[in-house]
Amino acid sequence: ELKVEQNPLFLSMQEGKNYTIYCNYSTTSDRLYWYRQDPGKSLESLFVLLSNGAVKQEGRLMASLDTKARLSTLHITAAVHDLSATYFCAVRLTGNQFYFGTGTSLTVIP
Amino acid sequence: DTGVSQDPRHKITKRGQNVTFRCDPISEHNRLYWYRQTLGQGPEFLTYFQNEAQLEKSRLLSDRFSAERPKGSFSTLEIQRTEQGDSAMYLCASSFFYNEQFFGPGTRLTVL
Repeated sequence: ELKVEQNPLFLSMQEGKNYTIYCNYSTTSDRLYWYRQDPGKSLESLFVLLSNGAVKQEGRLMASLDTKARLSTLHITAAVHDLSATYFCAVRLTGNQFYFGTGTSLTVIP
Repeated sequence: DTGVSQDPRHKITKRGQNVTFRCDPISEHNRLYWYRQTLGQGPEFLTYFQNEAQLEKSRLLSDRFSAERPKGSFSTLEIQRTEQGDSAMYLCASSFFYNEQFFGPGTRLTVL
């Protein structure tokens, strides 16, 4: 079965700092997704990465994909409090099954 | 609002009872997905439909779980003979083919 591992699981960072969240997966996948979830809320789509070397940026978040290493990163630049949330990566397997990571809980401290 | 909606938002039931949840996807989306999420975990894929066809159901948790999408629009997820371990948030999402999934607010199930 596909395993999707994120690290760190918990991240506390100061405003203005940079950090990277890592997502490793154990088998071939052609698509990788990043989602955000605020406490008590549902998931919000952030990025869809389709190919090796894909990079997408939105505001202070940038996601990249290395399919050969089976690794995606979510980089946070100059963090602000509004980015505090749980971030999930998810991969798609043949047959259109989706596997989510366990999430990274991010807290941005003023 | 034209997002994904789910009903009810909360359901409390006694062990052994049957429950049914409804999901209304974004109208132009052809794919509909069901997930279960427990506290501190990522969503767990259960099943999905493309239009009215259920194309993947091998990951439904047991034969007590079933889903339908009879006319390719809304979908229902039924859990028969509920158990305490079924307590979780049940999420529905929709997409247009492989594009990003849009999630509904979820139905929180509590089995007493």
